[in-house]
Amino acid sequence: QVQLQESGPGLVKPSETLSLICSVSGGSISSDYWSWIRHPPGKGLEWIGHIYSSGATNYNPSLKSRITLSIDTSKNQLSLRLTSVTAADTAVYYCARLVFEGYYFDFWGQGILVTVSS
Amino acid sequence: DIQLTQSPSTLSASVGDRVTITCRASQIVSSWVAWYQQRPGKAPKLLISKAFSLESGVPSRFIGSESGTELTLTISSLQPDDFATYYCQVIGTFGQGTKVEI
Repeated sequence: QVQLQESGPGLVKPSETLSLICSVSGGSISSDYWSWIRHPPGKGLEWIGHIYSSGATNYNPSLKSRITLSIDTSKNQLSLRLTSVTAADTAVYYCARLVFEGYYFDFWGQGILVTVSS
Repeated sequence: DIQLTQSPSTLSASVGDRVTITCRASQIVSSWVAWYQQRPGKAPKLLISKAFSLESGVPSRFIGSESGTELTLTISSLQPDDFATYYCQVIGTFGQGTKVEI
């Protein structure tokens, strides 16, 4: 059973960069697609982007200019960087495994709350 | 980009009720539809993929269907565990969510 665990700072200052890591266990990160999704308080789920094990990416157009997803197959880890954050980036951030055929998310991390505040 | 309009936003129901949640897509989406259940403080849980394929371990009272641009999740007989928020998803777009409450 694949398990995912997000980690990183829970508080980021406005205009700074949010950086998160997702550690994957119970399976190899290779040959799979992986996604980041966020859930702002009181709002719905928002897809951030996906990355293949080769490093190929696809980003939400609304975040594209600020997002970088990367993958480290040697560590079985994914990373997310979101630059120039504002209060609107406050959310629970999830990593999830993406089943590309059908484009759905079958395994999710527990999520990490990131608050943007000075 | 695909737009999804999910309704209702809130649904009041009782144990044993048949409940229907609808997502209307801005275009035909074939079978690129998934449904998730989310409980407070928890990650979403995949219920149905490819419009109507039930995930392993998910009770058969959850039924997904699709007709043109109308995507539907039906819970045939609501159980106490089912009070949660439900989301449809098509590729990189999620519906706004439906909270099922007593």
